Amino acid sequence: GENVEQHPSTLSVQEGDSAVIKCTYSDSASNYFPWYKQELGKGPQLIIDIRSNVGEKKDQRIAVTLNKTAKHFSLHITETQPEDSAVYFCAASRDYKLSFGAGTTVTVRA
Amino acid sequence: GAGVSQTPSNKVTEKGKYVELRCDPISGHTALYWYRQSLGQGPEFLIYFQGTGAADDSGLPNDRFFAVRPEGSVSTLKIQRTERGDSAVYLCASSSTPGGLAGGRREQFFGPGTRLTVL
Repeated sequence: GENVEQHPSTLSVQEGDSAVIKCTYSDSASNYFPWYKQELGKGPQLIIDIRSNVGEKKDQRIAVTLNKTAKHFSLHITETQPEDSAVYFCAASRDYKLSFGAGTTVTVRA
Repeated sequence: GAGVSQTPSNKVTEKGKYVELRCDPISGHTALYWYRQSLGQGPEFLIYFQGTGAADDSGLPNDRFFAVRPEGSVSTLKIQRTERGDSAVYLCASSSTPGGLAGGRREQFFGPGTRLTVL
């Protein structure tokens, strides 16, 4: 099955700085890569996703890049704000089943 | 709201008891998924429904776990003879079409989860 590894496990950044989270996947057939944000006591919230026919996607302060050859993808958050503090999960899928990374706890220091 | 809802939000039970967890997907979503999230981990796939049928139950850990979706909308996850190791947050998600279909929308929208604690 698919194995997704996510780094770092924790990330602390100064407000206004950028945050980068990296994931690798094992199944070369995976073709859909969503990112979720999870706040304490809540379910994961989809923030951005990318498909394998695209190398990069951007939505305001959030961007995701995908390198299919190396089987890794990354989340970039620019101009971080305190409300960006949460746990972020990457995931990979070849069909309907999402395989998640272990998560990155992001803390934005004011 | 029009999101995925799950009840109860918290469930505390004793070892050996039976529990039922309910999920109401987004109206019109044909695909429904159950995941389990242990503390400090990402969600893990349990089961996928397309309509009323379980298309893939390969993630269910053992035969104490069972899920139904009799009318193609609400789903219930059932756990028999609960064990302390079953303690986790059980998440439900839905999507408008299943992943893998050409042109299908693959976004899965998650509910808030049910936190199950087995004493």
